[in-house]
Amino acid sequence: DTAVSQTPKYLVTQMGNDKSIKCEQNLGHDTMYWYKQDSKKFLKIMFSYNNKELIINETVPNRFSPKSPDKAHLNLHINSLELGDSAVYFCASSQTSGNTQYFGPGTRLTVL
Amino acid sequence: DAKTTQPPSMDCAEGRAANLPCNHSTISGNEYVYWYRQIHSQGPQYIIHGLKNNETNEMASLIITEDRKSSTLILPHATLRDTAVYYCIVRDRLLNSGSARQLTFGSGTQLTVLP
Repeated sequence: DTAVSQTPKYLVTQMGNDKSIKCEQNLGHDTMYWYKQDSKKFLKIMFSYNNKELIINETVPNRFSPKSPDKAHLNLHINSLELGDSAVYFCASSQTSGNTQYFGPGTRLTVL
Repeated sequence: DAKTTQPPSMDCAEGRAANLPCNHSTISGNEYVYWYRQIHSQGPQYIIHGLKNNETNEMASLIITEDRKSSTLILPHATLRDTAVYYCIVRDRLLNSGSARQLTFGSGTQLTVLP
């Protein structure tokens, strides 16, 4: 069973569109994250979220918004996509009491 | 979080031990050392973590110096599948306000295991 899954694996879209990436974890964790890995391979945190608190990296544009329908899901919505949004996006989860994070396989977003 | 310094790349012969160093000279007393790796086109994978004692699990061993200013991740018998970028991360083990804190990834060490 996949612990942290993301869909879609690849996403190709036009500039200006709105898109979503879904993330699900079956580990029973109560905290989930979104990371962005750019073309230079640097992995940067975008959000961390549990049912109490959303922590946003201040460098993330407000076109990006996480949505959590329940503890097992944290979806990433992106409005008005720009060329610079092209990257691989990773979802992760952990227990709030620990720092061991489990990552999904990533979603490669290409904005044309 | 304390900053870490790792060599950008290393090679290792298949079947030999891979020793990956990490400097974290500004580490504080309540900060742990974590290691993750990222195999090409996959998500990062947790390997091991420790505070001050040496740690071992089924994947690797972690050796932390007595002054805690540096550590070494040891893959005892490297295989081709261990080729990956290895990240050393120093993190406060305890969390603030009941909320989880993010991992800060540096540039890591590209380990290439050679046949």
